[in-house]
Formats: sequence, C-alpha cells, structure tokens
Amino acid sequence: DARVTQTPRHKVTEMGQEVTMRCQPILGHNTVFWYRQTMMQGLELLAYFRNRAPLDDSGMPKDRFSAEMPDATLATLKIQPSEPRDSAVYFCASGSPGEDSPLHFGNGTRLTVT
Amino acid sequence: GQSLEQPSEVTAVEGAIVQINCTYQTSGFYGLSWYQQHDGGAPTFLSYNALDGLEETGRFSSFLSRSDSYGYLLLQELQMKDSASYFCASRGSARQLTFGSGTQLTVLP
Repeated sequence: DARVTQTPRHKVTEMGQEVTMRCQPILGHNTVFWYRQTMMQGLELLAYFRNRAPLDDSGMPKDRFSAEMPDATLATLKIQPSEPRDSAVYFCASGSPGEDSPLHFGNGTRLTVT
Repeated sequence: GQSLEQPSEVTAVEGAIVQINCTYQTSGFYGLSWYQQHDGGAPTFLSYNALDGLEETGRFSSFLSRSDSYGYLLLQELQMKDSASYFCASRGSARQLTFGSGTQLTVLP
C-alpha cells in the first residue's frame, strides 16, 4: 500500500535553530503540497509543486521558510530561523496526474519550537 | 479569497445518520472534497464532487450544489470509529485544496 512518508515524525528544537522536514511522495505522483495545521488556523496551504516545479508558495513566510524538490522522490521544507509560533503539525501530500484523483497525506511532522 | 464554513461540532448516536454541511465562497472553484482526520493522524480522502449531485461511497455520501455554493457529507449507520474531524475543502485549478475549519463528530454509544 503506497504511502507518503514524512520524516521526522516529531521534532523539538530551540528558537533560532534550523529545521528541515522531508517528504517522500508516492511513486508516480507529480504534485506535492505542504500544509501546516494548528488549532487556531486549521489546515493552511504553504506551498505546492507540479513535476518538481514550484507553483505557489504564497502561503509561506518568505523570510524564514523555503520549500524545494531536489528530485521527484524528495520534497523538503526548511525553517531558518525557527520561532515558537512555527510550532505545528506539518503535512505533506501528493497527488497523481489523474484529474480527479485525491491527495494522499503523510502522517505529518509534529514540530515544537521552544 | 477562499472561505469555507462548516459547523464546529456534531454529536450523534451509533446507528444514526448525520449530515455535515459546508458552504463556500471561493474563486476558481473546481470541486468540493471531504477528508476525515482522527486525532493525531493524517487527513484521509472520503469523497469528491466535481459536478452537482450526489456521490455515494458505502456508508458515506457527498452532495454538491454549485449554484448554492453548498455541499454536505452524509454519514449513515454511524459507528464509534466514525468519531473524528471532517473537513470540506475546495479544489483549485492546480488541484490545491483550501480546507474549512473542520467539524468534530462525536458518536455516542
């Protein structure tokens, strides 16, 4: 059963440190999305890619967040420097080329910035 | 801008039927999706309506009316395991999803 894999599952770091979250989309999926979930803001779209090209990252704080797809099997989301308000669960999702096919979400990275 | 409204909480008993409504105001609307999320887990896909009408998948059905900017998720024969958060989400041109704030469903024995 194909799955989106995210690492690490949990990350605790101190304010000011760099955080890198990784995502392996399902093989054959050509769209990748990064979401952030908090109690206050719900599920927010941060950035997304099609065929490794960034389509939109307007949901991200540009000064500290960056998202990349070095290859088709890896997407990364970096925060530098991290702040306590970045504490959230970060989800990666991927989708196949099929027009109405659903997005498949990974289990998320739970980030705590102290 | 994009906004989706859904009730924050719904409670029902096992075996009952529950309907979760969703109204939306979005630009570039391509369809309405529904996702389920258990505490601490990944959102999982339930249903998608690109066209007006009813889509049925087992105990779950979803409805869309584009003219009313309205949709709903219908859950039948409720089970305890259905206790979870349910999100409606509008789909954009690049298949990106904009999520509502979620409805916490509690199923009582």
